[in-house]
Amino acid sequence: GENVEQHPSTLSVQEGDSAVIKCTYSDSASNYFPWYKQELGKGPQLIIDIRSNVGEKKDQRIAVTLNKTAKHFSLHITETQPEDSAVYFCAASPSGGSNYKLTFGKGTLLTVNP
Amino acid sequence: GAVVSQHPSWVICKSGTSVKIECRSLDFQATTMFWYRQFPKQSLMLMATSNEGSKATYEQGVEKDKFLINHASLTLSTLTVTSAHPEDSSFYICSASSASGYTFGSGTRLTVV
Repeated sequence: GENVEQHPSTLSVQEGDSAVIKCTYSDSASNYFPWYKQELGKGPQLIIDIRSNVGEKKDQRIAVTLNKTAKHFSLHITETQPEDSAVYFCAASPSGGSNYKLTFGKGTLLTVNP
Repeated sequence: GAVVSQHPSWVICKSGTSVKIECRSLDFQATTMFWYRQFPKQSLMLMATSNEGSKATYEQGVEKDKFLINHASLTLSTLTVTSAHPEDSSFYICSASSASGYTFGSGTRLTVV
């Protein structure tokens, strides 16, 4: 089955700096890669996703890059703000929007210091 | 966008009783829903995949008789924790798949006393 590795497990940055979280996956059949933000006591919220037919996607301060050859994808947050502090999870699936299950990384606790 | 409503957000029950958690897709039909369990400071652990009108598929190690899943309609799936014990205390989260991806509920904090 799919295995998703996520690094780092914790990340502390100063407000305004950039944050990068990296994930690798094992199953070459995976082609949908979402990123979720989870605040304490809440469910995960999708912040950005990418499918295997593109290499990069950007939404304001958030971007995701995908390297299918190397089987890794990364989340980039620029101009970090204290409200970006949360746990971030990467995930992989053979297909988005289907009955295929998501395989999650172990999460990254991001702390943005004012 | 796709919205998933999960209730209750928290529940406290006595040991030996059963608790039902509901997961509803509000603005789309979800043929497939997923149930997760999350321990503190850990990732989401998939418990089962629920397909409308058929039996749920449970992950290895998950007791299907303890965690009953019903997906009777395209907008509602329920998870019933039967004969709950303190070790069942956890954060339970549902998710529904749609054309745009996977949407998660807000989670249910279950405490068994």
